[in-house]
Amino acid sequence: QQPVQSPQAVILREGEDAVINCSSSKALYSVHWYRQKHGEAPVFLMILLKGGEQKGHDKISASFNEKKQQSSLYLTASQLSYSGTYFCGTETGFNKFYFGSGTKLNVKP
Amino acid sequence: NAGVTQTPKFRVLKTGQSMTLLCAQDMNHEYMYWYRQDPGMGLRLIHYSVGEGTTAKGEVPDGYNVSRLKKQNFLLGLESAAPSQTSVYFCASCSGLAGAYEQYFGPGTRLTVT
Repeated sequence: QQPVQSPQAVILREGEDAVINCSSSKALYSVHWYRQKHGEAPVFLMILLKGGEQKGHDKISASFNEKKQQSSLYLTASQLSYSGTYFCGTETGFNKFYFGSGTKLNVKP
Repeated sequence: NAGVTQTPKFRVLKTGQSMTLLCAQDMNHEYMYWYRQDPGMGLRLIHYSVGEGTTAKGEVPDGYNVSRLKKQNFLLGLESAAPSQTSVYFCASCSGLAGAYEQYFGPGTRLTVT
């Protein structure tokens, strides 16, 4: 039930781009993305609903391919503040919502 | 607006002891959730509530009980703590079903069971 995220960890230099993937074995109704900094609570980034839309949030955007049951999070021109663990959450049915195990992103100067 | 608050922030229990974790939200949200977070495992749903007086089991409910007597509060109880329950516990609230709406998380409770 839990979606699979890849990669598990990424190290970037400031200004570099990254892509984080989230895939499910079940049909998806929606995908969420959250970021969690060390020792803090997860913070919502965006929701993508069924329909294959793409959303943007500052220099962070995401796509949702419902046919492939996948979503990707794109971080462009990364900043130090982007460091943290990124989680996708997937809705596979009525009140069936599961988080992935996370992708650790470390942006270095 | 405090958002979602959790008490306590830290707790150490001995095996077999009991405790209650309190979650409170001031956003008038109907839906509330309890998650546990273990290294490399992401967030796993323990129990949830879709409104005052209702509770339901999530993915990993064994060893936990919950109550939602007031809309703004969601309590998580451990009747007889076990070392496997050592984890960070997060409460979240939502204005609708988790799949369609943003979840607001509390700061977490770090629980160690020795």
